[in-house]
Amino acid sequence: RKEVEQDPGPFNVPEGATVAFNCTYSNSASQSFFWYRQDCRKEPKLLMSVYSSGNEDGRFTAQLNRASQYISLLIRDSKLSDSATYLCVVRGTGRRALTFGSGTRLQVQP
Amino acid sequence: DADVTQTPRNRITKTGKRIMLECSQTKGHDRMYWYRQDPGLGLRLIYYSFDVKDINKGEISDGYSVSRQAQAKFSLSLESAIPNQTALYFCATSDPGDLQPQHFGDGTRLSIL
Repeated sequence: RKEVEQDPGPFNVPEGATVAFNCTYSNSASQSFFWYRQDCRKEPKLLMSVYSSGNEDGRFTAQLNRASQYISLLIRDSKLSDSATYLCVVRGTGRRALTFGSGTRLQVQP
Repeated sequence: DADVTQTPRNRITKTGKRIMLECSQTKGHDRMYWYRQDPGLGLRLIYYSFDVKDINKGEISDGYSVSRQAQAKFSLSLESAIPNQTALYFCATSDPGDLQPQHFGDGTRLSIL
């Protein structure tokens, strides 16, 4: 089982739609969680950190469910510019670096 | 100017050649990382360094070596390149602390023929 698993997609949604991605992680002792965004063949960029109580940044909402070991990302009112691959990233206890999921591809269509 | 700079951006070379990828940063971060990205596999950690005297292997270090020449510079070498090392390579930096995100360079596209 992979340490971090994501549905690769693609998720094809119309502009204005709400879309949600989930990500599961295998290490129950994982401590830090992030969503990164990666445009085609470019570097990953931090979208948002994920806090235990959940957090929101504009149209983006991240949730953490420790009991079920998953994190989620909700995007409201999708824009064409949201088209990208979204990477789920986890840091475990004692791990000195991050573990990246393979990413979920989102395509927002006009 | 980019905070994390990788050179070269693209490289095509032959099997058996020695290759060095360089990374420099102006962010003042102590921690630096090298990853490779292959389609469908996400980013995998090759080596990381928490300061100039601290070098650690990641999950796929075989066939690679690194050098941390200064706080701002971290280079990755392929001693004898092989075709399955063809990939997109990223350097990243971060501040200490579990909640600190990583900041990535633009990537080096490496092809081994």
